[in-house]
Amino acid sequence: EAGVAQSPRYKIIEKRQSVAFWCNPISGHATLYWYQQILGQGPKLLIQFQNNGVVDDSQLPKDRFSAERLKGVDSTLKIQPAKLEDSAVYLCASSLLRGADTQYFGPGTRLTVL
Amino acid sequence: KNEVEQSPQNLTAQEGEFITINCSYSVGISALHWLQQHPGGGIVSLFMLSSGKKKHGRLIATINIQEKHSSLHITASHPRDSAVYICAGGNQFYFGTGTSLTVIP
Repeated sequence: EAGVAQSPRYKIIEKRQSVAFWCNPISGHATLYWYQQILGQGPKLLIQFQNNGVVDDSQLPKDRFSAERLKGVDSTLKIQPAKLEDSAVYLCASSLLRGADTQYFGPGTRLTVL
Repeated sequence: KNEVEQSPQNLTAQEGEFITINCSYSVGISALHWLQQHPGGGIVSLFMLSSGKKKHGRLIATINIQEKHSSLHITASHPRDSAVYICAGGNQFYFGTGTSLTVIP
């Protein structure tokens, strides 16, 4: 079974630039999560999708971050414009069901904002 | 105060030792997850539990819902167990800050 795929693996940009991350969850998984993990901290949930609908985006900085999962499969997370404090690893995870279900994590995208 | 707290933050053990990592939470959790993260690597889900105890190989996870506490035990620890162990749960999937484990041969 293929795991959660993410791209790119690494990205370096300058502040005020835009960046987009892509995630392809495990086939058939209805729930998709985006997390931000700043160095030395635990991951923080940014947004959770159930199929193509948003379940929770309360911790997403909506003035600069956006995410979509138009067809209920792949998802993109965008930052526009980026700030220095956005430097982090962005993790995507998926689960078959919503709520109390095992999450499978992708390898993450390491973003460095200069 | 974090919604999910772990202890200890760092742990060094000799190979073969029995290891315990603790997790306490203040939010309502229907299921608590234990995750493993290797340096530079991705996150792997170890356990998801709602009550009682689960065992997988040398790993054992327990949870006490009333006390809002969970523990992860590693028996006969091995250097390959060296990683960061994270507990997480809640509607917004709050993560603990992790326990960095180093097992010395």
